[in-house]
Amino acid sequence: AQSVTQLGSHVSVSEGALVLLRCNYSSSVPPYLFWYVQYPNQGLQLLLKYTSAATLVKGINGFEAEFKKSETSFHLTKPSAHMSDAAEYFCAVSDHTNAGKSTFGDGTTLTVKP
Amino acid sequence: EAGVAQSPRYKIIEKRQSVAFWCNPISGHATLYWYQQILGQGPKLLIQFQNNGVVDDSQLPKDRFSAERLKGVDSTLKIQPAKLEDSAVYLCASSLGLGNNEQFFGPGTRLTVL
Repeated sequence: AQSVTQLGSHVSVSEGALVLLRCNYSSSVPPYLFWYVQYPNQGLQLLLKYTSAATLVKGINGFEAEFKKSETSFHLTKPSAHMSDAAEYFCAVSDHTNAGKSTFGDGTTLTVKP
Repeated sequence: EAGVAQSPRYKIIEKRQSVAFWCNPISGHATLYWYQQILGQGPKLLIQFQNNGVVDDSQLPKDRFSAERLKGVDSTLKIQPAKLEDSAVYLCASSLGLGNNEQFFGPGTRLTVL
């Protein structure tokens, strides 16, 4: 079984401040991990993914995430928030041995204040 | 490259009516997914196809939901009869295959059941 917990359903930061969105996972096998972003009335867009290569993963729009096995975490960060980063962010875990079935967290809404 | 297409984008029906959603995946993508996203929650997998065969439908409420993917390309998801709790966004996603877990999402269909 696999699961994802996103700590904090809402995060608010000022423009230019550090963005930190937290994700903890549970998986009985080595996981694949993903971060997706969803803008209003749109589908999900992949930001980055971890597939057992480098533990620090760089994605689009300046985001990155670090896989920490000992902490079962995959937190998403961005050094400097931009107004356009305001959106909902979803962490997902995939058991690649089970036909690639993905389990999503409940999301974190990021608000960026001017 | 065209993305995942879905229609309609919005649908309002009364309870006990039936409704159908259509999805056209990215050309060449063998795996197709239908997710239900209830407001404030992450996407929940309803059914996963590999070509025209079902890989996982363990969370599909089969007494009222059905899905098909004839010819391994387009797919339809049907609800009959609809209940109030079916109000949600229905997302379709596709990926190259079972071994490639990067999913590409369509814009979704927002269903409101009155």
